[in-house]
Amino acid sequence: GQNIDQPTEMTATEGAIVQINCTYQTSGFNGLFWYQQHAGEAPTFLSYNVLDGLEEKGRFSSFLSRSKGYSYLLLKELQMKDSASYLCAVIKRNYGQNFVFGPGTRLSVLP
Amino acid sequence: DADVTQTPRNRITKTGKRIMLECSQTKGHDRMYWYRQDPGLGLQLIYYSFDVKDINKGEISDGYSVSRQAQAKFSLSLESAIPNQTALYFCATSEFGGNEQFFGPGTRLTVL
Repeated sequence: GQNIDQPTEMTATEGAIVQINCTYQTSGFNGLFWYQQHAGEAPTFLSYNVLDGLEEKGRFSSFLSRSKGYSYLLLKELQMKDSASYLCAVIKRNYGQNFVFGPGTRLSVLP
Repeated sequence: DADVTQTPRNRITKTGKRIMLECSQTKGHDRMYWYRQDPGLGLQLIYYSFDVKDINKGEISDGYSVSRQAQAKFSLSLESAIPNQTALYFCATSEFGGNEQFFGPGTRLTVL
């Protein structure tokens, strides 16, 4: 089966660090993506992890542990423009290499 | 710039009407996808196509049909729209052998 969980909402302060978790239970795992989506807009790519460990890209980092079925997205030096939904998506090898998306986490950054 | 476009961007229709949503891409990608998004439910895959002669059902294909008219065009039809099909619809593309998907701007559909 497939089950992807993320917290529904999070709040953080401008300049702070926030960690958004994603847990998954799925067969045929073949990678995990994080996308950012501002309200009413298209999702945009943030990161891709296929091997265990941390991938860093500027203020954003993503971590994967395949044995634990766990990933997190770390956002540093938060800015107001980071207020958005963050979508975790798992690629399933036995689902045509398609994505299965989590419900998304809505992050609000407060001044 | 190579892009993914969707038309219309907004549509209000009545129950029972036939609706077509269009997606075009200039990325040259073989693979195209249709998703719907409902508040709190994330993105759910409706249909996907890996090339012009290939059409596959996703998680929630009931009530929908698709047509892949060309490599660059993938349309989604609602033969007889119903209110619970009110949602935000996204088209996406990806390269053969690639993993990242590129999304269009979305179509907001309201069925009254």
